[in-house]
Amino acid sequence: DAGITQSPRHKVTETGTPVTLRCHQTENHRYMYWYRQDPGHGLRLIHYSYGVKDTDKGEVSDGYSVSRSKTEDFLLTLESATSSQTSVYFCAISESMTRKSTDTQYFGPGTRLTVL
Amino acid sequence: KQEVTQIPAALSVPEGENLVLNCSFTDSAIYNLQWFRQDPGKGLTSLLLIQSSQREQTSGRLNASLDKSSGRSTLYIAASQPGDSATYLCAVSSTGGGADGLTFGKGTHLIIQP
Repeated sequence: DAGITQSPRHKVTETGTPVTLRCHQTENHRYMYWYRQDPGHGLRLIHYSYGVKDTDKGEVSDGYSVSRSKTEDFLLTLESATSSQTSVYFCAISESMTRKSTDTQYFGPGTRLTVL
Repeated sequence: KQEVTQIPAALSVPEGENLVLNCSFTDSAIYNLQWFRQDPGKGLTSLLLIQSSQREQTSGRLNASLDKSSGRSTLYIAASQPGDSATYLCAVSSTGGGADGLTFGKGTHLIIQP
């Protein structure tokens, strides 16, 4: 299994509070991604990173920000959590060397976030 | 915008049967297609990746095919076992100018009856 950990694994928070989710990899892969998984919608891309300090938006980026100050860590922040952000969040990594997802993506175990 | 559809949404078959899961995508401009397995409450496990230039990939009892021009892929599972019960997800990486990352189908929930 690819060395990907996510923390916390479960979190319950209240509307309006800030929340930061962490993804940590030990594979030294260049690409890192954040997806959310919701019933009826499947997995959707939130943000991704193609290198330290290099990030870009995905399909559902509104209300989220990311940061990558080290190769191994990719943080997802909900500045002011809303109930619509209740979801399961997955981090993924890929060793693609080009600007696109040309290689296998490996997924972390997920973080279940509940916003009350 | 790329869209990925998986049929059927759910499937229940007796142990030992061979089965086929289907995946279709609307834009044939892809780099690759991946099949994943997801067990309840768990993350995704990559099963097979097919590059756009390939026609099929095999791993053990699994065989995935790709027809890029028609926007279709199939995952064939031979001699199914109860341990194969899971949700199977198909995802494509598109070459268009949009965001990077994968576009996923909603999955096929597979139950293998002992």
